[in-house]
This record gives sequence, C-alpha cells and structure tokens, in this order.
Amino acid sequence: GAGVSQSPRYKVAKRGQDVALRCDPISGHVSLFWYQQALGQGPEFLTYFQNEAQLDKSGLPSDRFFAERPEGSVSTLKIQRTQQEDSAVYLCASSLGATGQGHGYTFGSGTRLTVV
Amino acid sequence: RKEVEQDPGPFNVPEGATVAFNCTYSNSASQSFFWYRQDCRKEPKLLMSVYSSGNEDGRFTAQLNRASQYISLLIRDSKLSDSATYLCVAFNNAGNMLTFGGGTRLMVKP
Repeated sequence: GAGVSQSPRYKVAKRGQDVALRCDPISGHVSLFWYQQALGQGPEFLTYFQNEAQLDKSGLPSDRFFAERPEGSVSTLKIQRTQQEDSAVYLCASSLGATGQGHGYTFGSGTRLTVV
Repeated sequence: RKEVEQDPGPFNVPEGATVAFNCTYSNSASQSFFWYRQDCRKEPKLLMSVYSSGNEDGRFTAQLNRASQYISLLIRDSKLSDSATYLCVAFNNAGNMLTFGGGTRLMVKP
C-alpha cells in the first residue's frame, strides 16, 4: 500500500482482556518497528523485526506483550491480560532497508488502546 | 534519565516570533539525528535531519553539536500552522532504531 496501515484505529478493552493490534507495512519494507506512546510522552521503542526475524524485543515492558511477523510482511502486537497502564497509542513504523542511518521511516496512524 | 531529553514546554509564542528548541542526548554512539513533528492525535512525521554543519529548510534551522551532545531547532517567523509537538530523535546504528525525546509542544497564537 501507499503507507503503513494499522488496525483497529481505536480499541477499548476491559482489564484482563487480550488484544491484538495489526500493522501492514509498506510493501517491500524489510524493517518493522513497534512503539508505545503514552499521553504527553514521546514514542518508546518496543520491538524490531527484520523480515520475519525479531531482532530486538528489549523494549517490551512485560511478558504479557508479544509480537510476531511470520511472513515478513504483516505484524501483530498482542497484549495479554491488559492492564490500565497499557493504555497508550501503539505506533508501527517501517523502513525499506535493514539499516539506513535512521532515514526513510514511515509511521502508521497508530492504534489508540484504552483499558477500562 | 531518558536517553534523549527535551523541555516539554508548552512554548506559547505570537505569530511571527522566532522560537528555539533544545535537546540533549546521552548515548555518544548515536550517529544520526532528526527532528520529527507530531500533530495532535496524528503520527510523527520527519521534519528534517540534523547535521553538524547545520542545515536549513526554509524557516527551519537545525544544528548538532557532537562535543556537547546537543541538538537545536530554530523556527523563524512562526505560523499558526507550526503549532505541534516537536520530537528530537537519535538513531544508533547498532540498535537500528530511533530513540525519541519526550517532545516539546509549540503553540503559535494570532
């Protein structure tokens, strides 16, 4: 597609519910990133994929967070047993190459998760 | 301490004013630097890259001082449409990821 597409745009979950957030990167983009942005804060890194390989998951806040990209294109971020502190905007970004000195990143519009 | 630090603001300035944002980073291995702009409830978008030699794009000038680990953004002749949050960003090739500051909010008033 022309840009990075994320769905759903908004998600309200009851505390303890599992959620799955989807990211469709730009076609052919090798690198895919997930970020978490709390209200009034900058985006915080969660995890990074190069094709289907998850090369860095150091930013995932707990073992309730899990991400996958099985075929090297679409990625899913799953949060199990959601807590109120998980409420945030989850941003996905992709870039064409495996490395690029930080250039050429395109962000999706994000999924706004509210846990009640 | 966050790896990239910014004054959160808000900066409230009148139209036509010149405003400067500052940012410091702590990871000396960071190799590339950027300013991103984020409008309310929108995704971050690249505003400009930052080079040691300084670079200018219209009303916007960015500067990097590697010795001080300091980055700046200057906006001249502010427009109402410049109202947004400005994110200072560092890139480390080893981690292949962008590290964001907390953002500085700018509000330009008529």
